[in-house]
Formats: sequence, C-alpha cells, structure tokens
Amino acid sequence: DQQVKQNSPSLSVQEGRISILNCDYTNSMFDYFLWYKKYPAEGPTFLISISSIKDKNEDGRFTVFLNKSAKHLSLHIVPSQPGDSAVYFCAASARFGNEKLTFGTGTRLTIIP
Amino acid sequence: EAQVTQNPRYLITVTGKKLTVTCSQNMNHEYMSWYRQDPGLGLRQIYYSMNVEVTDKGDVPEGYKVSRKEKRNFPLILESPSPNQTSLYFCASSLSTGGYGYTFGSGTRLTVV
Repeated sequence: DQQVKQNSPSLSVQEGRISILNCDYTNSMFDYFLWYKKYPAEGPTFLISISSIKDKNEDGRFTVFLNKSAKHLSLHIVPSQPGDSAVYFCAASARFGNEKLTFGTGTRLTIIP
Repeated sequence: EAQVTQNPRYLITVTGKKLTVTCSQNMNHEYMSWYRQDPGLGLRQIYYSMNVEVTDKGDVPEGYKVSRKEKRNFPLILESPSPNQTSLYFCASSLSTGGYGYTFGSGTRLTVV
C-alpha cells in the first residue's frame, strides 16, 4: 500500500520556467512533509519541508504548498535552472507515531537549456 | 564535515555469503535508519534505531539484521543474501525523530548473484 504517491515518473521543463512536482498521500496521521533531491551516485539531500499547521513554505526559489483536505502537496521551483535536474522524492512523517519517513517513488525532473 | 559514511559503495556477492554494510555518522545523531531504493518503489525503510541498543523493524525487514552498539555506528547485516536483495541501500541519520532533515549516506549498490 503506497501511502505517499508521486504519479509523474518524469517531468521536463524549459530553463527559466516554473517546475511543479506533485505528491499525494493517503495517511491522515501524516503531519510533516518533506522534499528531497537526489543526484545520480549520491544520497538524497533535504530540500524543504512543511508542517501540517501551514499551507505554504518558501525558501528561495523553492515553495512547497500543502492542501490537507485534498491530501496533496506540491513543490514549485521558479525559475528552473539546469542544476535542478535530479530525482525529487516527496516524504511524509507522523511525528507522534513510528515517526519514520515514508517516501514516494520519485519524479525525475529534467531542465532543458 | 558533517556526514554519514557508508562502505562499501559497490558490492557484488554470491547467494548465501554473509555480508555487512557499515554506516557511521559524526553528528552525534540519535536516530539512524536504513532504506533500500528500488525502481518504481521509491525508498523503503528496512530498520531504524532511536538510540543505542534500541532498534526496530521498518517496512521491509525480512532478510536483514542491524545492531546499534555505539551511537555513531549502525551496520546492516545480510546473513544469507538472496538475489531479491539486489538493491541500492542508503543509511540515514537525524538529530531527532519526526523526519527532521535526515542526512543520507552516498549509498551502497549491492548485487547478489
């Protein structure tokens, strides 16, 4: 049972445009959400997070939006740069349960120069 | 430099030959975890540890063992590897539970023939 879903395996975006990566979850106990970025031959690196008490969190070019009623979150990257080409994983945590991170299957983002 | 170090980076072994993948962190983190990454399945948790001598199963623990005798080390043991354990493995650590900014190692690519 995939509790965190990323339905788009890949996404191509022109450099300078906005990249939007989507993530859906099914477990209503999740209260903390994170995005990780992964380059080939490296481990995932933390990008940005959001608590369930917020609906938006911004960090430079990266913004995460959370829609709790729809159990949906998205990551916006604007403007997109070639160095943003990577696999992006959405993850969720139920901090008062097991408290582990549950990951989605990832979306490969390619920025076209 | 704050980091999680995994060894080896690449390993090819035969079915049934016991192996250990080491993981060490230098950040004094309490929480450590092992994940495996497989195509189409994302990152799945194998085992985790909330402190020394405290370990517990994740989502896919079958065929694996772990130990946490010291805070910095969290080795992953495959007593009798099988081909379905061919995967990319990541160790991660965190200052606290709740998924706050896991730091991941660079990964171990294991092939069992």
